[in-house]
Amino acid sequence: SAVISQKPSRDICQRGTSLTIQCQVDSQVTMMFWYRQQPGQSLTLIATANQGSEATYESGFVIDKFPISRPNLTFSTLTVSNMSPEDSSIYLCSVRREADTEAFFGQGTRLTVV
Amino acid sequence: AQTVTQSQPEMSVQEAETVTLSCTYDTSESNYYLFWYKQPPSRQMILVIRQEAYKQQNATENRFSVNFQKAAKSFSLKISDSQLGDTAMYFCAFMKYGSGYALNFGKGTSLLVTP
Repeated sequence: SAVISQKPSRDICQRGTSLTIQCQVDSQVTMMFWYRQQPGQSLTLIATANQGSEATYESGFVIDKFPISRPNLTFSTLTVSNMSPEDSSIYLCSVRREADTEAFFGQGTRLTVV
Repeated sequence: AQTVTQSQPEMSVQEAETVTLSCTYDTSESNYYLFWYKQPPSRQMILVIRQEAYKQQNATENRFSVNFQKAAKSFSLKISDSQLGDTAMYFCAFMKYGSGYALNFGKGTSLLVTP
């Protein structure tokens, strides 16, 4: 298994500001992903965080809005930039080892933009 | 692209009863994985059960079992002897076979277990 610490667990932010969410894993993992879960909705993949290179973004998500870093095999950050109320969501970090099919999730960051 | 459809937004079951959650998917892949994840109010996503598409035998995990119909692209979850702690959002998910792929989730089914 993998234990994921995601911080902060929640935040209330002013529109126009940015928030960086951290994801720390207790062991090295091959793959790290960032998802968004809008209120009452399913999880939508934002991007795959690649170690040592630029993240791979899904359609509808861009690096300028959601810059991602992954400096090593246990840590990643997601920044939500220039926030608007539409960015109010839960953001979840997920990890998976290459040899395993199970994905593990952080507890999520509940973001409210006012 | 793969799509995952959960047609039951909400379901309710009495404690100790059995309930079945439906999931259908669309893919052109022949090899893939299917999952059911549970998300209780704590927001923690928890793997309930997984199925490899190349395995004909349906997966089971204690009170949880699946009915996997590959030709029909159907993957339902049966919860037996429902418990109050089973109250949660249940997501069906698809993942392509191979490394580097993320999960593709359905919209979820909210399950309420009542006393």
